[in-house]
Amino acid sequence: EAQVTQNPRYLITVTGKKLTVTCSQNMNHEYMSWYRQDPGLGLRQIYYSMNVEVTDKGDVPEGYKVSRKEKRNFPLILESPSPNQTSLYFCASSLSGLPLDTQYFGPGTRLTVL
Amino acid sequence: AQRVTQPEKLLSVFKGAPVELKCNYSYSGSPELFWYVQYSRQRLQLLLRHISRESIKGFTADLNKGETSFHLKKPFAQEEDSAMYYCALKWAGANSKLTFGKGITLSVRP
Repeated sequence: EAQVTQNPRYLITVTGKKLTVTCSQNMNHEYMSWYRQDPGLGLRQIYYSMNVEVTDKGDVPEGYKVSRKEKRNFPLILESPSPNQTSLYFCASSLSGLPLDTQYFGPGTRLTVL
Repeated sequence: AQRVTQPEKLLSVFKGAPVELKCNYSYSGSPELFWYVQYSRQRLQLLLRHISRESIKGFTADLNKGETSFHLKKPFAQEEDSAMYYCALKWAGANSKLTFGKGITLSVRP
């Protein structure tokens, strides 16, 4: 089944403890992206990647890192999480970055930073 | 800069009533516009895109370039339409970022 998977789905951590949220897609998509969803603010893009080893900042990149060493994986790294990074995170992928390509979303990761 | 505005946070209607979810955008080029839906505890999924001129689950959306709007409409709401709806805009360029509005919760009461 074609899909985008994220792990973990739920995570509670403490300030400053490094964490990684994994994202994987099995559709051979070139374009992958991370969003955070916050009440009243909608979805905001954190980082995106046009292809392997090609990443760029979205609207809210501060406090996050990403890597794209393989086409299928696009992990989101929080080196030193803070409470304002408590949010619901979505990974998405599309065939390419072109406007008409549909973005497919993962199930979301709910992160709480204490 | 591109921007998507969904002026309302919540719309509550009775089953069978018409629904219009508003979306306005600002963008200097030719936009690609989308509606995404998120049902309770589910992932975001594409509902429809303006380029396709399609009707999905009874919903339609027409791009009005003069009013820079892309409102989502359905003549008769169903309870299963209750969800969060996001309007989104994509740049025309290859480095395409999807910009979302803040979303609106549609609640359809029996």
